[in-house]
Amino acid sequence: SQLAEENSWALSVHEGESVTVNCSYKTSITALQWYRQKSGKGPAQLILIRSNEREKRNGRLRATLDTSSQSSSLSITATRCEDTAVYFCATDSSNTGYQNFYFGKGTSLTVIP
Amino acid sequence: GPKVLQIPSHQIIDMGQMVTLNCDPVSNHLYFYWYKQILGQQMEFLVNFYNGKVMEKSKLFKDQFSVERPDGSYFTLKIQPTALEDSAVYFCASSQDRGYEQYFGPGTRLTVL
Repeated sequence: SQLAEENSWALSVHEGESVTVNCSYKTSITALQWYRQKSGKGPAQLILIRSNEREKRNGRLRATLDTSSQSSSLSITATRCEDTAVYFCATDSSNTGYQNFYFGKGTSLTVIP
Repeated sequence: GPKVLQIPSHQIIDMGQMVTLNCDPVSNHLYFYWYKQILGQQMEFLVNFYNGKVMEKSKLFKDQFSVERPDGSYFTLKIQPTALEDSAVYFCASSQDRGYEQYFGPGTRLTVL
């Protein structure tokens, strides 16, 4: 079963605009991670936000976490062409006791020059 | 930043043969993971490994799969025998501890003919 799921299959924005990718998850978690995967590469972590945190920033990126609605968002401001990638959220499951992160199917973001 | 290496980058083998995928994790990391990603689909957790033992594995981690890290060398995923449905990109990841960022390698593309 899928524990994490992004809410959009694909998004496109023009360079310089802001964009938000949303994610919902199904179980109680200890942490949620946002990853970016560029074509032909492995995923790269962008932000790890723990269950006791509500917001976290990393440069142009801002992640939020709402444990009551079991959802998270990743916002990118001033997008650049190199932000074009697939964005995944991944959650662990606090029930497992171990750090197994389960990925959503990803949202493909295209930044148009 | 820290890098995870994977060898080889591509592997083509005939169905029924054995294959070993190699991962060189970040040097001070203690937790190791394998994920499977079929083209265009989500990343799926296979197994995690700590202190010489498999800590948890998913349903995708079939009996034909095994992992080991002999004497702190490569962390390996062995598939014996391979099946057509094993064709995918296999990503290795490592983390310093539970709840810490996972660093991913670039993946090994496995094609089973």
